[in-house]
Amino acid sequence: KAGVTQTPRYLIKTRGQQVTLSCSPISGHRSVSWYQQTPGQGLQFLFEYFSETQRNKGNFPGRFSGRQFSNSRSEMNVSTLELGDSALYLCASTLTGDYIYEQYFGPGTRLTVT
Amino acid sequence: AQRVTQPEKLLSVFKGAPVELKCNYSYSGSPELFWYVQYSRQRLQLLLRHISRESIKGFTADLNKGETSFHLKKPFAQEEDSAMYYCALLTSGTYKYIFGTGTRLKVLA
Repeated sequence: KAGVTQTPRYLIKTRGQQVTLSCSPISGHRSVSWYQQTPGQGLQFLFEYFSETQRNKGNFPGRFSGRQFSNSRSEMNVSTLELGDSALYLCASTLTGDYIYEQYFGPGTRLTVT
Repeated sequence: AQRVTQPEKLLSVFKGAPVELKCNYSYSGSPELFWYVQYSRQRLQLLLRHISRESIKGFTADLNKGETSFHLKKPFAQEEDSAMYYCALLTSGTYKYIFGTGTRLKVLA
């Protein structure tokens, strides 16, 4: 079974631009979560989607948004990029819908904002 | 507020020595706790979860609700245990994980 895939793997953007990251979960997994990973803060939860519905979100500004498609693939968008948005963005998928258990992580997208 | 604290950024031990990675949590509900590990150039992956009460790769972790801790232990460290370890709390009914900032374990030969 193929693992979680994320595209692109690396991105360089300029402050003020917007960016879209993509995540394809493991086949059959219906829940997708997104995290921002930085050296100082570790992993911080962005949001979680299940069956195209956002069920929870973390404490990030409205510039961070996401969505999930009917095939469970998910995208996250960051508008008006700031230097502080430079980070590794991870997505994770989970099989169950009613109760999240083991998360399977993708390799991440490394975003650099200049 | 819900929080997971891993007080050590870096823990260095010699091969064969015992290891204890500390994790404390703050949560008023009934916690579900996990340890995730990231080996060099690999993806973050689940190591163990408290509800399973299992031992994986010689590691164990016991939930102590009185001390609100979930420390990860191994009696004899191996060089291949060198990795980044994250403690995580799943808040019930919210589908939201809260991760600690991680501890880098270095096992020295």
